[in-house]
Amino acid sequence: SYVVAQPPSVSVAPGQTARITCGGNNIGGKSVHWYQQKPGQAPVLVVFDDSDRPSGIPERFSGSKSDNTATLTISRVEAGDVADYYCQVWDSSSDHVVFGGGTKLTVL
Amino acid sequence: QVTLKESGPALVKPTQTLTLTCTFSGFSLSTSGERVSWIRQPPGKALEWLARIDWDDDKFYSTSLKTRLTISKDTSRNQVVLTMTNLDPVDTATYYCARSELGASWFDPWGQGTPVNVSS
Repeated sequence: SYVVAQPPSVSVAPGQTARITCGGNNIGGKSVHWYQQKPGQAPVLVVFDDSDRPSGIPERFSGSKSDNTATLTISRVEAGDVADYYCQVWDSSSDHVVFGGGTKLTVL
Repeated sequence: QVTLKESGPALVKPTQTLTLTCTFSGFSLSTSGERVSWIRQPPGKALEWLARIDWDDDKFYSTSLKTRLTISKDTSRNQVVLTMTNLDPVDTATYYCARSELGASWFDPWGQGTPVNVSS
């Protein structure tokens, strides 16, 4: 089955840029979606189809992809961005959904 | 506005069957392209997709859990039901339902989740 890998944690100072990666074989051929999950809350979609933002999501959140890695970039990080971030892809060969292991964002 | 809400027992004994209900509003599962999935999250762990049901009653299950899961829908009541048999303490998790659409493989929105503890 398809697997995507994320770093367990990323730390960044307030005002700096956080980059969270999601790696998978031939991920360039799949659409990647990103979710933010704050403590005790349900996940919220922040980026879909690699780089599109749902309405209401700040422009500070952006997505990109190259080769075998997708990246969620959070610019001008704020204390309120502290959360777990998950990438998700759809494996068309099995019509199954795959989530990454999640990345905990810490604001120093 | 689309909303989903999960309901079910908070405590289940090992070997029992779990039945969870997702009640939604703002869309209809009789509308072409609509889909609802169940996703779970053990405490402190990652999200795990479990099952999906489509508007045309197509059903898809996690390969590792498919022998234990059944998903169904009641279109008239705007509900999706997930049953999981032979519960084990490792099934302790928060269970979410979420909406997706044909041609859009992301989930938006999600329900608030319902915690399930499997313990004797």
